[in-house]
Amino acid sequence: DARVTQTPRHKVTEMGQEVTMRCQPILGHNTVFWYRQTMMQGLELLAYFRNRAPLDDSGMPKDRFSAEMPDATLATLKIQPSEPRDSAVYFCATSGNLMEAFFGQGTRLTVV
Amino acid sequence: GENVEQHPSTLSVQEGDSAVIKCTYSDSASNYFPWYKQELGKGPQLIIDIRSNVGEKKDQRIAVTLNKTAKHFSLHITETQPEDSAVYFCAASSTDSWGKLQFGAGTQVVVTP
Repeated sequence: DARVTQTPRHKVTEMGQEVTMRCQPILGHNTVFWYRQTMMQGLELLAYFRNRAPLDDSGMPKDRFSAEMPDATLATLKIQPSEPRDSAVYFCATSGNLMEAFFGQGTRLTVV
Repeated sequence: GENVEQHPSTLSVQEGDSAVIKCTYSDSASNYFPWYKQELGKGPQLIIDIRSNVGEKKDQRIAVTLNKTAKHFSLHITETQPEDSAVYFCAASSTDSWGKLQFGAGTQVVVTP
């Protein structure tokens, strides 16, 4: 499929709960990025993978966030436990060998 | 690391006029400069990009210019239309960093009929 698919599109959860966001890359794309978008910070890179191996997750709070790629068709971003300050839109973007990155529609997370 | 600055933060233009958004970058190793358009409730959409071996690129009403010496690049939209209203982001990356994009803060463009 020639688009990045993210699920869920919206998530409302209570503080302390686990949140899992999923991303299906464009077929054949071997680089996956996770970005977080807020009004204050703009688009921040949380982590990225190439050929399913993590390359950089320095933008991610390690104590509560984790990112994985169980296989080439699925990337996940987990937050455990979630906090109100995690409320944001989380985007997955994928790219192939030409460096063009294509974004999904995002997961809007609200932690209450 | 790379730092990208984008100006202006908001831009209001009359339909039919031109809009120009400017970005500067800090890392001389950056060699790929895409522009994204984000509409409300949607993900950023790649609209045009330029690589460091090219000074200018055009696609219908949009064009991008790159000045490697000065480390700045610009987006030009001509004959603006109401559907051009959106937030535009510039970004920079390099092959050394596997295409990791550093984004500017964004420009809210409003085209008034």
